[in-house]
Amino acid sequence: EAGVAQSPRYKIIEKRQSVAFWCNPISGHATLYWYQQILGQGPKLLIQFQNNGVVDDSQLPKDRFSAERLKGVDSTLKIQPAKLEDSAVYLCASSLDGQTGAEAFFGQGTRLTVV
Amino acid sequence: GNSVTQMEGPVTLSEEAFLTINCTYTATGYPSLFWYVQYPGEGLQLLLKATKADDKGSNKGFEATYRKETTSFHLEKGSVQVSDSAVYFCALTPNTGFQKLVFGTGTRLLVSP
Repeated sequence: EAGVAQSPRYKIIEKRQSVAFWCNPISGHATLYWYQQILGQGPKLLIQFQNNGVVDDSQLPKDRFSAERLKGVDSTLKIQPAKLEDSAVYLCASSLDGQTGAEAFFGQGTRLTVV
Repeated sequence: GNSVTQMEGPVTLSEEAFLTINCTYTATGYPSLFWYVQYPGEGLQLLLKATKADDKGSNKGFEATYRKETTSFHLEKGSVQVSDSAVYFCALTPNTGFQKLVFGTGTRLLVSP
């Protein structure tokens, strides 16, 4: 079974530039998550999709971050414009149905450095 | 709100030593509890979980017991190996609605031969 795929693995941009990350979840998984992991901290949920609908985006900085999951499969996360504090690893995860106790499977992440 | 507190690292042990990584949580009701592990250069992966009070999760020699009375989910292993060197994250999901993993800050474990 293929895992969660993310690209790119690494990205370096200047502040005020824009950047996009892509995620392809495990086939058949209805729930997709984007997490932000700042160095030395635990992952923080940015947005959660159930199929192609958003169920939680309470911690997404909506003035600069956006995400979509067209057709309920793969997803993109965009930052525009980037700030220095956005430097982090962006993790995508998926689970079968998102219900309590369900296992979430994580991709390897995209390491973003904003200079 | 929901939160997880882990002991700070790094935890440095010699091979075959006993491991405990403390984890306590704050949540309403009865959350599900997880330990995730991140090996160097790899993504997060589920190590074990427990979904109700007094349940014991176990995998690869690691164990953790869901203690409602102390709101804890401490990770233990009787004899660590060099290959166990990684960052360990305690996490919870609330028991209502859709799963939303809330993570602790992680504890780095370093095992030397």
